Amino acid sequence: SYVLTQPPSVSVAPGKTAKISCGGKNIGTKSVHWYQQRPGQAPVLVVYDDSDRPSGMSERFSGSNSGSAATLTISRVEAGDEADYYCLLWDVSSDEWVFGGGTKLTVL
Amino acid sequence: QVQLQESGPGLVQPSHTLSLTCAVSGDSVSRGNYYWSWIRQPAGKGLEWIGRIFPTGNTRYKASLYSRVAMSVDTSKNHVSLEMRSVTAADTAVYYCARVVAATRHFDFWGPGALVTVSS
Repeated sequence: SYVLTQPPSVSVAPGKTAKISCGGKNIGTKSVHWYQQRPGQAPVLVVYDDSDRPSGMSERFSGSNSGSAATLTISRVEAGDEADYYCLLWDVSSDEWVFGGGTKLTVL
Repeated sequence: QVQLQESGPGLVQPSHTLSLTCAVSGDSVSRGNYYWSWIRQPAGKGLEWIGRIFPTGNTRYKASLYSRVAMSVDTSKNHVSLEMRSVTAADTAVYYCARVVAATRHFDFWGPGALVTVSS
C-alpha cells in the first residue's frame, strides 16, 4: 500500500517560515491535501489539490508538489499555528485514502 | 454552512459491534458532487482512513478493515452510518465523519469527532 512520510516534528521561530514535507513514491503525479489539527479538535483543511486554499484560509498557508515530495509552507508563523499537520492523498491503485504520519509544528 | 455531527455509544464491549451515526446539516447526503468518509484517530496517534460511501450506497473500505466494517447512507434522515464488528481495544479511537469533494477527493468538512472506548 502507498506510504506517505512526514518528519515527526518541525520547529520555527515566530515570524519565520515553516516548511513541512510529505514524501511518497511519484507523489508529484498525485493530488495532495493538507490538514491542521489543534489538540482536542477535528482536522481543518488548509490546502487542497497541492496548492489551493479553501475560502477564508490565510494566504500564509501555501502548498507545492513535485518530484518525490509535497511541501506545506507557512509564512510569518504565529503562535496560533502550533498544531499537528497531516498530508493526505487518494491512491488510485488501491482506491484508498492515505494519511501521512503527521508533523508536530512547534513555535519557539 | 455544512455541519456534521457524530453520535453513538461511547463505550463498547470487546467482540461487540461499534455503531456510529453522522448527521449532516446544511447539505444533502444524496448530492452528487460529494460523498462521505469515516476516519479514526487513536489517542496520541495519527489519522487513519476507514472507508467511504457514495450517495448511491456504493462503498469502499480500507483493505485491513474490510471484513469488519459496513457503511450505509439514509437519505430520509440525511445521515451516514458506520458499523465495525468484533471490536478490540485497538479500535479505541476518536471517530470522525467527513464530506469528500468528488472532483478533488479531499475532505472539506469534518465532524467534531466521537470518542469510542472498547472495554469491558
